[in-house]
Amino acid sequence: EPEVTQTPSHQVTQMGQEVILRCVPISNHLYFYWYRQILGQKVEFLVSFYNNEISEKSEIFDDQFSVERPDGSNFTLKIRSTKLEDSAMYFCASNRQGNQPQHFGDGTRLSIL
Amino acid sequence: DQQVKQNSPSLSVQEGRISILNCDYTNSMFDYFLWYKKYPAEGPTFLISISSIKDKNEDGRFTVFLNKSAKHLSLHIVPSQPGDSAVYFCAADWETSGSRLTFGEGTQLTVNP
Repeated sequence: EPEVTQTPSHQVTQMGQEVILRCVPISNHLYFYWYRQILGQKVEFLVSFYNNEISEKSEIFDDQFSVERPDGSNFTLKIRSTKLEDSAMYFCASNRQGNQPQHFGDGTRLSIL
Repeated sequence: DQQVKQNSPSLSVQEGRISILNCDYTNSMFDYFLWYKKYPAEGPTFLISISSIKDKNEDGRFTVFLNKSAKHLSLHIVPSQPGDSAVYFCAADWETSGSRLTFGEGTQLTVNP
């Protein structure tokens, strides 16, 4: 069964540095998403992406964050000038149509030191 | 954000018995609901969904019930198996939006042999 794959599984970064989290959505999917889960808290929506542009973003997704689909397979989340509170699990998800279930990757654990 | 709430952080049942996981929501705009299962170190895995035009959806051992007047949904697992032990999340969306899932806190289900 096709899967959403995320790399790396664990990223450790110094505070203030930039980090790029990578995702390969399921190949025939058209809608892409990023979520995060801070330890002990709910899974929170960050951003959705369709047709090479952001379709919706949450209040968390400020100027520190950006997303990109640099080629036909990858979908990336860039976090500039990381802060301690950016430490979380980051999940990528995708679906073929916006009103179908989203399929999630196994996440990247981001640790900011 | 208390729009989707799972009031039971944990549930323990015996193998072969029924597991009932509950979820409440406050936003009357939600019209599409999903249940996800999550094992440690993995991403959420889609289980079953229900649209607000239905009050029940069944898939094998899993049945989701929706009570719109009470803004309540439940997931029934019958019979429960030890492999069902995981964290279960309910999530909600506007079907017409199809872009932003709002998650509950999750319920840790333990099925004892």
